[in-house]
Amino acid sequence: QVQLQQSGAELTKPGSSVKISCKASGYTFTSYDISWIKQRPGQALEWIGAINPGSGGTGYNEKFKGKATLTVDKSSSTAFMQLSSLTPEDTAVYYCAREDYGYAPDWGQGVMVTVSS
Amino acid sequence: DIQMTQSPASLSASLGETVTIQCQASEDIYSGLAWYQQKPGKSPQLLIYGASSLQDGVPSRFSGSGSGTQYSLKISSMQTEDEGVYFCQQGLKYPFTFGSGTKLEIK
Repeated sequence: QVQLQQSGAELTKPGSSVKISCKASGYTFTSYDISWIKQRPGQALEWIGAINPGSGGTGYNEKFKGKATLTVDKSSSTAFMQLSSLTPEDTAVYYCAREDYGYAPDWGQGVMVTVSS
Repeated sequence: DIQMTQSPASLSASLGETVTIQCQASEDIYSGLAWYQQKPGKSPQLLIYGASSLQDGVPSRFSGSGSGTQYSLKISSMQTEDEGVYFCQQGLKYPFTFGSGTKLEIK
C-alpha cells in the first residue's frame, strides 16, 4: 500500500531554516507529483506547492515563494521541503501528499514545526 | 487564485440524520473538486474527488454533487465516526485552494 513517511517534529529558532522529508513507498515515485500542505493549529489547509519527482519541475503558491524550496532524491524515493527565514507564523503542521490529477488520496502523518526563541 | 467558500463553519447532527455541507468556488472549476475528512491529530482523508466520485473504501453514505461553482457533500445517515472537520479543495489549477472547513459534531 502507498505510504508517505515524514520526518520528526522540529523545534527551531526564528531566522533559521529547517528541512523536512517525506519518504514514499508502495508506488512508482516518479509517476505522481508530491504536494506540500501547511496547517496552522486549528486552521484550514494551505497548499504550498508541488514537485514532479520525475522531472524535478515545481509549482509554488506565490505566498510561499522564497519561503519553501521543494526537492526530491529519486534514488531514495524521498521528497524534501526546506523552509527558510522562519518566523512564529511558520509554526504549523506540514503534510506531504501524493497528488493524483489534482487530488490527494495519500498523505503523510505530518510534521510539527515549532518556531520559538 | 480560486477562492473556496465553505458553509456552514460548524454543525451538529443526530445519529441517522442527513447532513449537507456546501462549497462555492469563485469561478467555474469544472467539477475539479474534492472533499476531505480530518479527525483530531490525524491527516486529512480523501472522501470524494471529481465532485462526485467516491474514493475507494469510503462508506456509500457519503456522496458529492454539484457543477460550475456550487458543490455539496452529503452524509445520508450520520454516524458517530463521521465527527470531524470537512474540507473542500479545488484541484483544477495551481495554486490548489481549500475551503475553511466545517466542523461536524454529534448532537
